[in-house]
Amino acid sequence: AQTVTQSQPEMSVQEAETVTLSCTYDTSESDYYLFWYKQPPSRQMILVIRQEAYKQQNATENRFSVNFQKAAKSFSLKISDSQLGDAAMYFCAYRTFTGANSKLTFGKGITLSVRP
Amino acid sequence: GAGVSQSPRYKVAKRGQDVALRCDPISGHVSLFWYQQALGQGPEFLTYFQNEAQLDKSGLPSDRFFAERPEGSVSTLKIQRTQQEDSAVYLCASSPSRTVLLSGANVLTFGAGSRLTVL
Repeated sequence: AQTVTQSQPEMSVQEAETVTLSCTYDTSESDYYLFWYKQPPSRQMILVIRQEAYKQQNATENRFSVNFQKAAKSFSLKISDSQLGDAAMYFCAYRTFTGANSKLTFGKGITLSVRP
Repeated sequence: GAGVSQSPRYKVAKRGQDVALRCDPISGHVSLFWYQQALGQGPEFLTYFQNEAQLDKSGLPSDRFFAERPEGSVSTLKIQRTQQEDSAVYLCASSPSRTVLLSGANVLTFGAGSRLTVL
């Protein structure tokens, strides 16, 4: 079974600074997707960024980028120029497509606070 | 619709009552998922539908939990004889067909969830 581990329960960053959120996962699959989702207090889970395992190039979406290390099974999220609106819970997630096993597996999440 | 719609947004039930939570996925989305999210935790998988077929129900915690999607669109999660440990946010998500997934448009879109409180 796949597992996703987020070992940091909370992090804090100064507005305009850079912060990195860590995530590791365990799988025996070779083809899969990795995601970071943001969940503000409104509970709406919002996709931040995704990475295909077969791509060596790290994904980037504006101020958000990942450091994907497939051999180490590590998938960290870097937020540059942090903004107050970035404050939320962030979840790392894994998804495979083997037959019917197409569910998204989440980590426990990390609460990010942004100091003005 | 434009997004995944869930109702009710909030539900308070007395222990032992039955509840039904509704999910309207994005039109045309083949896959539908239910997740349970306890306070301060990550979502935990409950069940998965592809069209009307329930392909995976391995996450349902007990036989008090039942989900259906009879016409391959709207889905209902039913919890019978609710217990306090059932208190959580129940999230629904949908995604396009498998062929689209393989082409890279593999994104689950989530609803805002239904918060269930069992007294």
